[in-house]
Amino acid sequence: AQSVTQPDIHITVSEGASLELRCNYSYGATPYLFWYVQSPGQGLQLLLKYFSGDTLVQGIKGFEAEFKRSQSSFNLRKPSVHWSDAAEYFCAVGPGYSSASKIIFGSGTRLSIRP
Amino acid sequence: DAMVIQNPRYQVTQFGKPVTLSCSQTLNHNVMYWYQQKSSQAPKLLFHYYDKDFNNEADTPDNFQSRRPNTSFCFLDIRSPGLGDAAMYLCATSGGGGGGGQPQHFGDGTRLSIL
Repeated sequence: AQSVTQPDIHITVSEGASLELRCNYSYGATPYLFWYVQSPGQGLQLLLKYFSGDTLVQGIKGFEAEFKRSQSSFNLRKPSVHWSDAAEYFCAVGPGYSSASKIIFGSGTRLSIRP
Repeated sequence: DAMVIQNPRYQVTQFGKPVTLSCSQTLNHNVMYWYQQKSSQAPKLLFHYYDKDFNNEADTPDNFQSRRPNTSFCFLDIRSPGLGDAAMYLCATSGGGGGGGQPQHFGDGTRLSIL
């Protein structure tokens, strides 16, 4: 079965500290992998996407993610967080073949920033 | 800027009174999605349109319907809202047909409250 697991429901880090949000997926074929961010009361914004090629993907707002096939993981990282990074983060997986990109979301990780 | 626009941002309706939420896009994408998102949960796909083809998720209640009169607009109709339908409703679009992996672009959502 296709699934996405984000094991951390809530993470708090200090401003300026590094961040890693975990994501594990289960997918039968080669998937597309996404990270989205959702600020309170807003829609989801795409941070980055991976399908093939370099396993380290750069995104917007200084985020990056690394695809590790052997671990079925796609963890999101940022070297130094800012207070404005406080938000909900969703990992998602989608098919590489479909004509309509139905994607499966993880349950999300809420990030809080300690001043 | 090309975007996905949802109106209204906040909608209050009475129990059992039909309500319509609207979504428009200037991205000229051929796929449009409606999601329901409850507090602290991942978005849940209700249905999507690939061009004019309607695709309903198996577990979407019959109470929820959708219309897409043209490429730019899509509506979500809730025929008889119940208290359990109070949620954020997100519209998204993607440029499907390119072999998958197209990221979805989200509007800011409509928060629906039921009195």
